[in-house]
Amino acid sequence: GNSVTQMEGPVTLSEEAFLTINCTYTATGYPSLFWYVQYPGEGLQLLLKATKADDKGSNKGFEATYRKETTSFHLEKGSVQVSDSAVYFCALGGGGSQGNLIFGKGTKLSVKP
Amino acid sequence: EAGVAQSPRYKIIEKRQSVAFWCNPISGHATLYWYQQILGQGPKLLIQFQNNGVVDDSQLPKDRFSAERLKGVDSTLKIQPAKLEDSAVYLCASSFGQGHEQYFGPGTRLTVT
Repeated sequence: GNSVTQMEGPVTLSEEAFLTINCTYTATGYPSLFWYVQYPGEGLQLLLKATKADDKGSNKGFEATYRKETTSFHLEKGSVQVSDSAVYFCALGGGGSQGNLIFGKGTKLSVKP
Repeated sequence: EAGVAQSPRYKIIEKRQSVAFWCNPISGHATLYWYQQILGQGPKLLIQFQNNGVVDDSQLPKDRFSAERLKGVDSTLKIQPAKLEDSAVYLCASSFGQGHEQYFGPGTRLTVT
């Protein structure tokens, strides 16, 4: 079945460091791919998405490119801030028209000043 | 625009007791989802409604879990009787339709002792 494998954390970086969080997927068909973020004490929020191969999703300085050949959707940011500290979840659309999401385990990011 | 509302935010019960969670989706959203998020894992879909009909409940433990969305708006998720392994955060999400962006509520943290 469909699944998502995400880089395990926690990840600790200094402010202005480069961030990469790896995400690979297994799926039949061509699912949409998502990154969700969960800030401390808050609900999940959609960070960015890509709906087809070679699409690049971007938001708030974060980017991820849908790579069909490597079945990957790695999250990157060139210069992280303390306010980026959160848990990041990679997810894929469950397929068909149902729209349910299949999540990875999440990666906790801590950014130190 | 008001977001997805959930209550209670926290609940502590003893095993074998029953508990119910409530979700009020964003106005106009036809699709409603309940996810279970166990500590250290990503959310897992329990049940998906389209209006007041069930689209997917394949991962709902039906011997103890039940959910309803009688009027196609609010929804309740019930556990009876609870087990220790039901300790988790229960997330409600809604979307305009199947395959559209999902908006998540803050979740209900359940502790079963």
